[in-house]
Amino acid sequence: AQTVTQSQPEMSVQEAETVTLSCTYDTSENNYYLFWYKQPPSRQMILVIRQEAYKQQNATENRFSVNFQKAAKSFSLKISDSQLGDTAMYFCAFMKGDMRFGAGTRLTVKP
Amino acid sequence: DAGVIQSPRHEVTEMGQEVTLRCKLISGHNSLFWYRQTMMRGLELLIYFNNNVPIDDSGMPEDRFSAKMPNASFSTLKIQPSEPRDSAVYFCASSLWRQQGNTEAFFGQGTRLTVV
Repeated sequence: AQTVTQSQPEMSVQEAETVTLSCTYDTSENNYYLFWYKQPPSRQMILVIRQEAYKQQNATENRFSVNFQKAAKSFSLKISDSQLGDTAMYFCAFMKGDMRFGAGTRLTVKP
Repeated sequence: DAGVIQSPRHEVTEMGQEVTLRCKLISGHNSLFWYRQTMMRGLELLIYFNNNVPIDDSGMPEDRFSAKMPNASFSTLKIQPSEPRDSAVYFCASSLWRQQGNTEAFFGQGTRLTVV
């Protein structure tokens, strides 16, 4: 089974600044999907951004963007202009048939 | 669409009792995932279905756990008998599976299970 590693259990950032969350994964597959999900204290799992492995262009969604390095099996999330509402757990996920998650990074945005 | 709907939102039960968690998929989705979330183990995939067929149940912890899809839009996860260590938040998620792969998965709001 594929494994997903998030090496930063906790991070913090000042409001309006930029932060990058790291994710690496292990797979022998060539075609797959990668996702970042956000889980605020309400515990709802919210999709932030997705990336298809066959696309070289990095995905962006407003203030959220990814740096996808397929050869390095790396998929980091950059949050620009951080807002207080971005405070949450962030999970990286790999999907090929099933979907596996990393352990998560707890992000705190400080005023 | 109302999204993925899970019930109940909270469940408190006594050890040894049977517990049934329910999940309604998004209309048109054909892939269903059950996850368990705990502080110690994070998000664990228990089982997933494509077109009502269980594809991988290797994450189901014990024979006390069972999952079914009686129809294309509904699934149940049953624990019998329940134990205190089963206490967790249980999520289901649905997606659209096609030959070239799945779309993103959409999650229900989860069921917080407490076994006392």
